[in-house]
Amino acid sequence: DAGVIQSPRHEVTEMGQEVTLRCKPISGHDYLFWYRQTMMRGLELLIYFNNNVPIDDSGMPEDRFSAKMPNASFSTLKIQPSEPRDSAVYFCASRAHYRGDTEAFFGQGTRLTVV
Amino acid sequence: DQQVKQNSPSLSVQEGRISILNCDYTNSMFDYFLWYKKYPAEGPTFLISISSIKDKNEDGRFTVFLNKSAKHLSLHIVPSQPGDSAVYFCAAGVKGSNYKLTFGKGTLLTVNP
Repeated sequence: DAGVIQSPRHEVTEMGQEVTLRCKPISGHDYLFWYRQTMMRGLELLIYFNNNVPIDDSGMPEDRFSAKMPNASFSTLKIQPSEPRDSAVYFCASRAHYRGDTEAFFGQGTRLTVV
Repeated sequence: DQQVKQNSPSLSVQEGRISILNCDYTNSMFDYFLWYKKYPAEGPTFLISISSIKDKNEDGRFTVFLNKSAKHLSLHIVPSQPGDSAVYFCAAGVKGSNYKLTFGKGTLLTVNP
């Protein structure tokens, strides 16, 4: 398996623009997580899905952030409008909860810079 | 409210010696713990885990110790190798609820040749 795949790897955008981050989880994994890493806050969970259904979005910072999972092999995290303070590395991770796995597997991340 | 704390931002050790990374937690509901390793420009990779019913788990050069009464866990790497140089994240979760992980801020380990 190719692992969790995220795109793009790097994104530079201007303040006010819409940004869409993409994730393909490991095939067969039933949980998907979106994390954000910053120097100040470390790795923080934004939202997670179980079988494509959002379960907990309490970590989403503002209404400007939204996430979808239209099918088991694809998820997006959208920021509209983007702001400089959104600059961070965004990670997607997936896990096979159905078989009792506790560890999540991470993608390589998307480094977002909002100027 | 930081439920998982890694109080040492960095650690430097000599090749061949032991590396000890520490982690404290405040939520007594956590019942499993994991360590992840992260190289620059890559995502975190799972290293080793431990359930709260154990106090030690070993995998090759890596051993995790859990002290539930102190709400403390540590990762021992013996012997340390230059390739172990990375950021190490401690994470904790609750199996019985939603399995979501809470991460510490990480410790940068540098192993000097």
